[in-house]
Amino acid sequence: AQSVSQHNHHVILSEAASLELGCNYSYGGTVNLFWYVQYPGQHLQLLLKYFSGDPLVKGIKGFEAEFIKSKFSFNLRKPSVQWSDTAEYFCAVNAVPSNTGKLIFGQGTTLQVKP
Amino acid sequence: EAQVTQNPRYLITVTGKKLTVTCSQNMNHEYMSWYRQDPGLGLRQIYYSMNVEVTDKGDVPEGYKVSRKEKRNFPLILESPSPNQTSLYFCASSPRTSGIAKNIQYFGAGTRLSVL
Repeated sequence: AQSVSQHNHHVILSEAASLELGCNYSYGGTVNLFWYVQYPGQHLQLLLKYFSGDPLVKGIKGFEAEFIKSKFSFNLRKPSVQWSDTAEYFCAVNAVPSNTGKLIFGQGTTLQVKP
Repeated sequence: EAQVTQNPRYLITVTGKKLTVTCSQNMNHEYMSWYRQDPGLGLRQIYYSMNVEVTDKGDVPEGYKVSRKEKRNFPLILESPSPNQTSLYFCASSPRTSGIAKNIQYFGAGTRLSVL
């Protein structure tokens, strides 16, 4: 069965620190990969996505992620975090092709940025 | 504005009292889905719908029902809620494209349900 694992459950950083959140998935076939962000009290928003092509993808608000197929990983990065990045971050995967359209989510990582 | 709208946002109820959480999207999306979010478990799919009158179970369907009579609406029904259904629920929708499932899902704001 497909699964997604996010290694860091709770991360605390100071403003301007660099961020890397780990995400690994288990599925041997082709996948689409996503990072979603959930700001306090808000709905999930798409940060970035990978379907194919350049494994380094850039998203909104200065975030980027790198797909490393050999490691089944899709880590999220940001060079310099801001207080407004405080949120919960979810990595998600869906298999290609998909009969259900189901996104498999990781457990989530709570990021707290101290001003 | 393109959006997925869920109602209510917050609901406290008692065991066994039937309830419905509504979900509506204005993007003419074919695909809709319900997830529940629990601490440490991420989001898990409850039910999904590929189109009108086409629904199917996700990973955690027990205790839930859905219907898809119109393209824009996908209500989640709890016939007899129990405390283990206390959770945060999200509705999502997605345009379906033929071939590769470029399944970018758009989420509602969530419904926080407490069953006492």
